Amino acid sequence: SQTIHQWPATLVQPVGSPLSLECTVEGTSNPNLYWYRQAAGRGLQLLFYSVGIGQISSEVPQNLSASRPQDRQFILSSKKLLLSDSGFYLCAWSVNRYSGNTIYFGEGSWLTVV
Amino acid sequence: QKEVEQDPGPLSVPEGAIVSLNCTYSNSAFQYFMWYRQYSRKGPELLMYTYSSGNKEDGRFTAQVDKSSKYISLFIRDSQPSDSATYLCAMSGYSGNTPLVFGKGTRLSVIA
Repeated sequence: SQTIHQWPATLVQPVGSPLSLECTVEGTSNPNLYWYRQAAGRGLQLLFYSVGIGQISSEVPQNLSASRPQDRQFILSSKKLLLSDSGFYLCAWSVNRYSGNTIYFGEGSWLTVV
Repeated sequence: QKEVEQDPGPLSVPEGAIVSLNCTYSNSAFQYFMWYRQYSRKGPELLMYTYSSGNKEDGRFTAQVDKSSKYISLFIRDSQPSDSATYLCAMSGYSGNTPLVFGKGTRLSVIA
């Protein structure tokens, strides 16, 4: 069966510091991968998605970036965090095919920028 | 007009009640419809998946899609305190590589 791992689960970072969140998927190959952010009262915001290694689509211009160095690894980064980057970050995956694109989420990472 | 509209609630019901959660959408190309349940401080989990119009039942949960009205519903029968969570609707068109469009979620509390 497929599993998704995301870490760290919680982090508190000062403004201006870098960020790296990692996500790996097991039990499938060539998945679509996603990073979402969920701020209080604002719903799920798609940040990046990837349909293959090195292929990243950005949905929202901001100071975040994403990379996919391996088939089942997805990394969310920032060089300098802003207060507005605080939120709940979710990695997700889906099967890469015409199937309605059901996606499966990780447990999330709580980021507080202070 | 937003692509997907969902009342954020909160919705509070007594244990045993029938709960109705709804979403409306504007894009007639949507063919796949999902409901996710998200407990506090956890990632959303897939609850129900339906294709095109009609009903789908799974235990106490029934998902209903009315494409002519661009309206989807999730019914929860005999609601339990463990059903207290945020419920998000999501939908997409035919392309498997098109990201899902999510509603903002409805917060549900079932009171014992």
